[in-house]
Amino acid sequence: AQKITQTQPGMFVQEKEAVTLDCTYDTSDQSYGLFWYKQPSSGEMIFLIYQGSYDEQNATEGRYSLNFQKARKSANLVISASQLGDSAMYFCAMREGNTGGFKTIFGAGTRLFVKA
Amino acid sequence: NAGVTQTPKFQVLKTGQSMTLQCAQDMNHNSMYWYRQDPGMGLRLIYYSASEGTTDKGEVPNGYNVSRLNKREFSLRLESAAPSQTSVYFCASSGAPGGRYEQYFGPGTRLTVT
Repeated sequence: AQKITQTQPGMFVQEKEAVTLDCTYDTSDQSYGLFWYKQPSSGEMIFLIYQGSYDEQNATEGRYSLNFQKARKSANLVISASQLGDSAMYFCAMREGNTGGFKTIFGAGTRLFVKA
Repeated sequence: NAGVTQTPKFQVLKTGQSMTLQCAQDMNHNSMYWYRQDPGMGLRLIYYSASEGTTDKGEVPNGYNVSRLNKREFSLRLESAAPSQTSVYFCASSGAPGGRYEQYFGPGTRLTVT
């Protein structure tokens, strides 16, 4: 069965520093997708970054990068040069299968606090 | 483009009442989803629809029914609301063939059952 684990309920980071948010997953599928979403205090869910199970390179999107270690089943999010606006909840998610209509499950989330 | 829209934004129900949450997307996505988010927790999948005409149970389907009315619309029905269903409900859609299939979310419906 699919499972996503985020072990850090809360993280603090100093503005302009880098921070890593942990995510481990469990699946028996060979084909799957991993996502990170951001939820600010306003409540909306914002897609940040995606990694496919067959992608050989780690995904990057601006200040976000995904440290994908397939053998360890981890997909950590790295935010470089943290900004005050990065303070939010961050969710790791996994979709099994290679097309859109597969079940996607979310981890419990990590709340990030960026200090000035 | 409005993206994903949900109605209503807020709702208060008494135990035993029924209601339908509406969701629509204008991105021509094939797949749609309903999640609930309880305070301080992640999203839990209630039901999803891979394509028009199909629906499947997610992690927490009990107490809910869904209808994929057409490609654009996916509704969630609570037949007999219970206090345990107090939550924020998010609808999402995904599906650009060959793409990443990231999900686009609606703004959420905050439901309180007393």
